[in-house]
Amino acid sequence: ELKVEQNPLFLSMQEGKNYTIYCNYSTTSDRLYWYRQDPGKSLESLFVLLSNGAVKQEGRLMASLDTKARLSTLHITAAVHDLSATYFCAVVGYNNNDMRFGAGTRLTVKP
Amino acid sequence: DSGVTQTPKHLITATGQRVTLRCSPRSGDLSVYWYQQSLDQGLQFLIQYYNGEERAKGNILERFSAQQFPDLHSELNLSSLELGDSALYFCASSLTGGVQPQHFGDGTRLSIL
Repeated sequence: ELKVEQNPLFLSMQEGKNYTIYCNYSTTSDRLYWYRQDPGKSLESLFVLLSNGAVKQEGRLMASLDTKARLSTLHITAAVHDLSATYFCAVVGYNNNDMRFGAGTRLTVKP
Repeated sequence: DSGVTQTPKHLITATGQRVTLRCSPRSGDLSVYWYQQSLDQGLQFLIQYYNGEERAKGNILERFSAQQFPDLHSELNLSSLELGDSALYFCASSLTGGVQPQHFGDGTRLSIL
């Protein structure tokens, strides 16, 4: 069964600092998504990663995928307050199209 | 504005009842997804449709069913409701359901009393 683990679950950062959120999964995957959710709001798609070594960047966020290690990372560079949100990874299992979410990382960026 | 419309925004009902949640995808999108978010279970993928056909199925209970109509809107039917079904239900759409980004609606908050 496909399982997805995210860590840390809570992350408090100072503005200007860098940090990484990790997403581990248990079986071969077809693709991996990263989403953002602001408090009380809906989800926003950030990245879709398909292949080993894939790297995508948008502003201060960079996501990468290592399919051999079954690991994706979401790296935050020089954090700003606007990045405060909950970030989820989700993995689509290979051959069955089921999607499983991580528990989410609640990020707080403090001045 | 994502372009995905979900109705109703809030729904309050009792155990044992049946409800229908509706989703209109973004113009041009052929694929629709349904998700459930609750404090107990977190985010769960329920089901995906592409151009009227079921494409993928996740943790959707047998008491739940969904369909996508010829005009591409989708409905999620929840029956024999239990307290544990209280959750936020999101619909998302994407162009073909493959690797394109998904666009999410604002969700329907379902409360079971």
